Amino acid sequence: KAGVTQTPRYLIKTRGQQVTLSCSPISGHRSVSWYQQTPGQGLQFLFEYFSETQRNKGNFPGRFSGRQFSNSRSEMNVSTLELGDSALYLCASSWVTVGSGANVLTFGAGSRLTVL
Amino acid sequence: TQLLEQSPQFLSIQEGENLTVYCNSSSVFSSLQWYRQEPGEGPVLLVTVVTGGEVKKLKRLTFQFGDARKDSSLHITAAQTGDTGLYLCAGDSGGNKLVFGAGTILRVKS
Repeated sequence: KAGVTQTPRYLIKTRGQQVTLSCSPISGHRSVSWYQQTPGQGLQFLFEYFSETQRNKGNFPGRFSGRQFSNSRSEMNVSTLELGDSALYLCASSWVTVGSGANVLTFGAGSRLTVL
Repeated sequence: TQLLEQSPQFLSIQEGENLTVYCNSSSVFSSLQWYRQEPGEGPVLLVTVVTGGEVKKLKRLTFQFGDARKDSSLHITAAQTGDTGLYLCAGDSGGNKLVFGAGTILRVKS
């Protein structure tokens, strides 16, 4: 079966612009999580969506937002881009619901954002 | 705030050598996962450990979860060049929120 698909894979933006990243989870997975990966901070949790509802949020400013559609596809948006937003943005999907055991995440290849 | 400290940060070894990567925290996690990530790709799950004291083996890789579920280790026997990559431990903080260690960059030289 197809894995987690993220688009675009690479993009370059300038400071002040906004960007939208897309994630298509594995078929049947209802949970989608987003992570930011940078050399200095490693992987940091952004937020998680389940059945179109944000269930959990990390410590990122309000410029970072997301949403999930009825088909479980998710988008994240970053507004007013800053140089420090340059990173690999990873999406992960999961079929395990909260409280039912260890969560197994399958990650996509990521969207590499460069802010100039 | 839950934190995972991973060590060492870098490891460069010869093919055939053994190595151990450590992941430590002052917090208890319901489960701990190990991932391997190659350049340009997302992390790929290697194993999930759930029970304190649990040991899991995956071919030449041995994973252990501490009795108190605060620490874990990854041991690779007879490393191969194909083992080269970034190894990440991640603790399950609930709600599909994983807390990641900083990672260990492993380079296996032939």
